[in-house]
Amino acid sequence: AQSVAQPEDQVNVAEGNPLTVKCTYSVSGNPYLFWYVQYPNRGLQFLLKYITGDNLVKGSYGFEAEFNKSQTSFHLKKPSALVSDSALYFCAVRDGGNFNKFYFGSGTKLNVKP
Amino acid sequence: ETGVTQSPTHLIKTRGQQVTLRCSSQSGHNTVSWYQQALGQGPQFIFQYYREEENGRGNFPPRFSGLQFPNYSSELNVNALELDDSALYLCASSLAGRETQYFGPGTRLLVL
Repeated sequence: AQSVAQPEDQVNVAEGNPLTVKCTYSVSGNPYLFWYVQYPNRGLQFLLKYITGDNLVKGSYGFEAEFNKSQTSFHLKKPSALVSDSALYFCAVRDGGNFNKFYFGSGTKLNVKP
Repeated sequence: ETGVTQSPTHLIKTRGQQVTLRCSSQSGHNTVSWYQQALGQGPQFIFQYYREEENGRGNFPPRFSGLQFPNYSSELNVNALELDDSALYLCASSLAGRETQYFGPGTRLLVL
């Protein structure tokens, strides 16, 4: 079965420090992995995706993610956090058997403090 | 902002009623997916429409149904509303064969 786990409900970092939001996945076939961000009372905004190729993927707003096949992880990272990065972050995986289905994690709330 | 729009933004219904939510996809996108996001949870896949036909479905009962129109816009219909149907309903559009989905702002449904 396909699934995504975000082990941390909340991550707190100080502005200017690096941040990591964790994601692990379980999927049959090659993983198609995504990160989305959700601001209060808004829909989800696409940040980045991994389909194939380089394990380090760069996305919007200075975010990047590292794909690790052996650890089945796809952690979101940013070298220097901004207060405006505070939001809810979701990891998602595309169903390897049914490409039309996506599975989302439960979300991680990122708090960046000045 | 994506070009995906949803209406209405908020809705209050009572248990047993029926509701219709609407979504206009981003220009050129021919595939629409619907998700339910309960409070404090991640989005749960309801179904996807492509070429006016259901093209994949999650673990939702038949009282959740949908339509897609020739202009690629879509409707989500929920019959016999239950209290647990209270959630944010998200629509996402994409191009068939492309992996990235673009989400609308959602419709918040409250069932009393």
